[in-house]
Amino acid sequence: RKEVEQDPGPFNVPEGATVAFNCTYSNSASQSFFWYRQDCRKEPKLLMSVYSSGNEDGRFTAQLNRASQYISLLIRDSKLSDSATYLCVVTHYNQGGKLIFGQGTELSVKP
Amino acid sequence: DAGITQSPRHKVTETGTPVTLRCHQTENHRYMYWYRQDPGHGLRLIHYSYGVKDTDKGEVSDGYSVSRSKTEDFLLTLESATSSQTSVYFCAISTVSGNTIYFGEGSWLTVV
Repeated sequence: RKEVEQDPGPFNVPEGATVAFNCTYSNSASQSFFWYRQDCRKEPKLLMSVYSSGNEDGRFTAQLNRASQYISLLIRDSKLSDSATYLCVVTHYNQGGKLIFGQGTELSVKP
Repeated sequence: DAGITQSPRHKVTETGTPVTLRCHQTENHRYMYWYRQDPGHGLRLIHYSYGVKDTDKGEVSDGYSVSRSKTEDFLLTLESATSSQTSVYFCAISTVSGNTIYFGEGSWLTVV
């Protein structure tokens, strides 16, 4: 079983739709959580950190459930420019703080 | 954008030849990483460095070596390239281990 698991998709949604991505992690010692975005043939870029209380950045909302070892990303009012792969990322103490990446979830927003 | 430069950006090499990829940063960040990204596997850590001459292995270190003689440079060497090392290689930097990391633009390596 992979340490960080995501539904690879692709998720095909129309513009304006709300879409949610889920991510589960297996190590209960995980300490920090992030969502990265990666465009085709580009480097990953930080989208947002994920806090226990949940956090929002414009149309994007991230949630963390430590008890269930589950992270989510909600995108409201999808734009064509949101088309990308979204990577779930965790770190934990017993891995020296190194980032562990999920395989990513592909999103395609259609007109 | 974070000041990270990878070179070469694209390279085709023959099986058995040595290859060195260079990562150069202008941010004076302590931590540097080399990842590879392959379909079906996502990003996997090869080696990382937590200071000059301080390096450690990642998840997929076999067949790779690294060196960091200066804060700004982190070199990844394939001593004898194999076709299984055909991949996209990303360098990354971070100020604090386990905190936000920033990636370079990637190096596309093809071993024929």
